[in-house]
Amino acid sequence: NAGVTQTPKFRVLKTGQSMTLLCAQDMNHEYMYWYRQDPGMGLRLIHYSVGEGTTAKGEVPDGYNVSRLKKQNFLLGLESAAPSQTSVYFCASNLGRNTEAFFGQGTRLTVV
Amino acid sequence: SQQGEEDPQALSIQEGENATMNCSYKTSINNLQWYRQNSGRGLVHLILIRSNEREKHSGRLRVTLDTSKKSSSLLITASRAADTASYFCFCMIYNQGGKLIFGQGTELSVKP
Repeated sequence: NAGVTQTPKFRVLKTGQSMTLLCAQDMNHEYMYWYRQDPGMGLRLIHYSVGEGTTAKGEVPDGYNVSRLKKQNFLLGLESAAPSQTSVYFCASNLGRNTEAFFGQGTRLTVV
Repeated sequence: SQQGEEDPQALSIQEGENATMNCSYKTSINNLQWYRQNSGRGLVHLILIRSNEREKHSGRLRVTLDTSKKSSSLLITASRAADTASYFCFCMIYNQGGKLIFGQGTELSVKP
């Protein structure tokens, strides 16, 4: 039981490049989330999903897209990376209502 | 704007003292959760309190919830140097499709 696994752990991108961050959970959780964490800003919700095939916008969705084709995976895409997207990205999942969320270890992304 | 807002943003105490952190939120919630983060790593769940509960305990942790004031507090008793971390409150909002919104966090420093 690995919990929530994020891939990759570190990445450096050039402005304009694209990439996909993968979040995988093996706990059969319905809900999955992507956050970014910046100094002094706490964690801000980018997108989330309440089940396979569904996605919804969070607080800061611009510049990102997501997909949840399989229940266990939640992908976060950056189509054209910008320096403002330099951040630490966290994925989380939970079973549903009134349950704790489990977090991945984070992906440190730098856009130069 | 973010739902959960922690207060204070930083707290420094001596080992053995109690630490109290507060969280305020803006709309109705289904539950509120407290998490801990060490040095930018993944978040670890501490405690969940439902909207119909007023107080909950877990070891040295005590959480209260006042839905009329839209606020919660986390008390850590007899603090230890190992409690040094950032603490976040986390609001589950079901009427917005299951959003999980974080506050900015409180940085707790416990000096030996």
